[in-house]
Order: sequence, then C-alpha cells, then structure tokens
Amino acid sequence: RKEVEQDPGPFNVPEGATVAFNCTYSNSASQSFFWYRQDCRKEPKLLMSVYSSGNEDGRFTAQLNRASQYISLLIRDSKLSDSATYLCVVTPSYGQNFVFGPGTRLSVLP
Amino acid sequence: DAGVIQSPRHEVTEMGQEVTLRCKPISGHNSLFWYRQTMMRGLELLIYFNNNVPIDDSGMPEDRFSAKMPNASFSTLKIQPSEPRDSAVYFCASSQGHQPQHFGDGTRLSIL
Repeated sequence: RKEVEQDPGPFNVPEGATVAFNCTYSNSASQSFFWYRQDCRKEPKLLMSVYSSGNEDGRFTAQLNRASQYISLLIRDSKLSDSATYLCVVTPSYGQNFVFGPGTRLSVLP
Repeated sequence: DAGVIQSPRHEVTEMGQEVTLRCKPISGHNSLFWYRQTMMRGLELLIYFNNNVPIDDSGMPEDRFSAKMPNASFSTLKIQPSEPRDSAVYFCASSQGHQPQHFGDGTRLSIL
C-alpha cells in the first residue's frame, strides 16, 4: 500500500458546484497534514494546513480523521480558477520527510 | 522575502553531458528537498537534507545522480552522464521543521 493515496480524477464540475477530495495515509503516527495545489507547468503551492479540529479558509474546508486515516478537502462555490491538481501531503512522526500524494486533478467548467 | 531560487529555469542538452541544477533555499530554513516530476511518475522525492546533512537519498535513481549541500544557502543536483529518461521538471523545496515546504519555480530539463 502506498503511503499516501488519492483519487487521480479528473473531477470535472460546473462552476458554482461543491466538490470534495479525500486522501488516505498509511502511517498512523503521521503528525502534520497539508493540501497543496499545482497549476499546469507550475510549482506546487501550499493551499492550507490541516488541523485536527478541521479548519476553513474562505471557500475551502479541510478535515482530518485520524481514526480512519484520511484527510479531506471541500471546495464550495467552485471557480474556474480552482482548476488545478490538488496534492495531499503528510509528514511522518520521524524526521522531516514530506510525503506527497499523486494528486487529484480538478477541472471547473463554465 | 525571496523564495526558493532555482537555476537554470530551462536546460536542454545532449545525452552524455553533465547537468548541474542549483538551488538557494529560503534563508533560515533548515531542510532542503530535491524532487523530480514527470507525467508518468508524478512528484518523486530524490533526496533531502537537514542542516546541510543528507538524511534520505533512497529516491536517487542511480549513481549517475548526486547532490550536495556545502552550506545552508546552496545545494546542487548533478546528473552525469545524462540520459533522455532524465528529462523532467526538477523542483527544489525548503522548510523549517514541520512547517510546510516552499517550492522553487523548478528546472525544466530536456535531454536529447
């Protein structure tokens, strides 16, 4: 089993839709969790950190479920500019290695 | 504040040539990471350094690849000799502790 798994998509949704991505991780001792977005031919950029209690940043909501070992990202009222690949990132308890998931591709359609 | 700076942005060279990619991490960050990204394999961690010391190089594909970090503000990734299958985008990233990584713009490498 891979350390971090994501549904590769693509998710094709109309503008204004709500879309959710899940990411599962295998190391139960993982400590830190993040969502990154990567636009075509660009570098990954931090979208938001994921906290145990869940957190929200505008239209974006991140949740962590330690018991089931998954994190989620919810995007409300999706915009054309949300089209990108969303990468789930997990850091284990040891060292400082960040493990990236393969990414989920989102296309928001007009 | 300057972000992670990588050079060159693009490199096109013939197979067999030596390629050197450079990275300047964000000042104050104590970890530096080298990644390779292709359509087929996604984002792969090649090696990472903590306080200038290589911690995990298990992702380095083979002996043709080497990386150094002589000081806290500079790192190189070298491929010698280069092969067409090394064509990819190479990213450098830095972080402080368990804080999120910040990526450079990447080097787009094409080996002919």
